[in-house]
Amino acid sequence: DIQMTQSPSSLSAFVGDRVTITCQASQDISNSLSWYQEKPGKAPKLLIFDASNLEPGVPSRFSGSGSGTDFTFTISSLQSEDIATYYCQQGDGLPYTFGQGTKLEIK
Amino acid sequence: EVQLVESGGGLMQPGGSLRLSCMASGLTVTNNHMSWVRQAPGKGPEWVSVIHSDGITHYADSVKGRFTISRDNSKNTLYLQMRTLRAEDTAIYYCARSPRGIFDFWGQGTRVTVSS
Repeated sequence: DIQMTQSPSSLSAFVGDRVTITCQASQDISNSLSWYQEKPGKAPKLLIFDASNLEPGVPSRFSGSGSGTDFTFTISSLQSEDIATYYCQQGDGLPYTFGQGTKLEIK
Repeated sequence: EVQLVESGGGLMQPGGSLRLSCMASGLTVTNNHMSWVRQAPGKGPEWVSVIHSDGITHYADSVKGRFTISRDNSKNTLYLQMRTLRAEDTAIYYCARSPRGIFDFWGQGTRVTVSS
């Protein structure tokens, strides 16, 4: 199975800050990497697919980059509504696997 | 607008069986790759099973031999038959469309609790 290592596990930042989360795959997954936002009591929501493509309707302050084994997710200017847990997920091979999550809080 | 609505969750004893349903609108289940994803309390999501548009199915090792994914064309509904339930199957179960391993549409989830 492909292991996804996400860091940090938690993050606290000010509104307006630039926030970065990283995700490392245990083997080359090309660009088959998605990022999800999960808020309490809600299903995860797709934000980024194919490492860097923004899902329609998702604000442009969210972005993703990387390929192979190393990936980055960025919020360019943190907003209060971005408080959530974020997960990376590889879709290169079965079983599809998720990172451990990053819980984002406002300072 | 795509909508996925899960049902069938509940409280079950270990060893019991349960069938989850996911009624779809705005998409045709048989024309899409459809998955079940679960999330145990305090944990991240875990992919459980997929049925491809051609009917081929795959399962996570943790449920292989116990769970069966299927679909009903006439009802446009996805199912997950769960047998020999264990405490570690306790989770919220989501159905999701999963083209190329990307979970782009999710249902609201149905809660399964396995406890004596």
